[in-house]
Amino acid sequence: RKEVEQDPGPFNVPEGATVAFNCTYSNSASQSFFWYRQDCRKEPKLLMSVYSSGNEDGRFTAQLNRASQYISLLIRDSKLSDSATYLCVVNMGYQLIWGAGTKLIIKP
Amino acid sequence: SQTIHQWPATLVQPVGSPLSLECTVEGTSNPNLYWYRQAAGRGLQLLFYSVGIGQISSEVPQNLSASRPQDRQFILSSKKLLLSDSGFYLCAWSEWTGQETQYFGPGTRLLVL
Repeated sequence: RKEVEQDPGPFNVPEGATVAFNCTYSNSASQSFFWYRQDCRKEPKLLMSVYSSGNEDGRFTAQLNRASQYISLLIRDSKLSDSATYLCVVNMGYQLIWGAGTKLIIKP
Repeated sequence: SQTIHQWPATLVQPVGSPLSLECTVEGTSNPNLYWYRQAAGRGLQLLFYSVGIGQISSEVPQNLSASRPQDRQFILSSKKLLLSDSGFYLCAWSEWTGQETQYFGPGTRLLVL
């Protein structure tokens, strides 16, 4: 089993819709979780950290489910500019473990 | 504010040739530095990280090496490139290892032919 797993997608979603995707992790001792966004042929950029109580940043909501060992990202009122690959990142002690990403395509 | 630079942006090299990629960080002191490789459609693979000058930890055995000659300079090298070395190389920095978020440079796209 991979340490961090994501559905590669692509998720094809109409503009304005709500989309959610999950990321599962294998190490129950993980303490820190992040979502990064990566545009095509660009470097990853931090989207948001994921807190135990869940957190929201505008149209984006991140949640952590420790019992089932997954984190989720919800995007409301999706925009064309949200098209990107979303990378899940989990802290495994001294380093971050990266998922391969979920590709999201927002269609007009 | 902090900025991170990488160069070159793209590189095409023949098999067996040497490699040197450079990364520099501005606006911070004693950062933790990282080299990642991302193959097409894959997640980021940590290659090396450094918590200080001259301190390098290798995560994956390979024909690559890294050096940190100065506090804010991180260099990725190879004496002889392999076809499998092709990929997107990303340098990142963080305030301290693990817990804090990492910030990436623009990356170098390497194609070995």
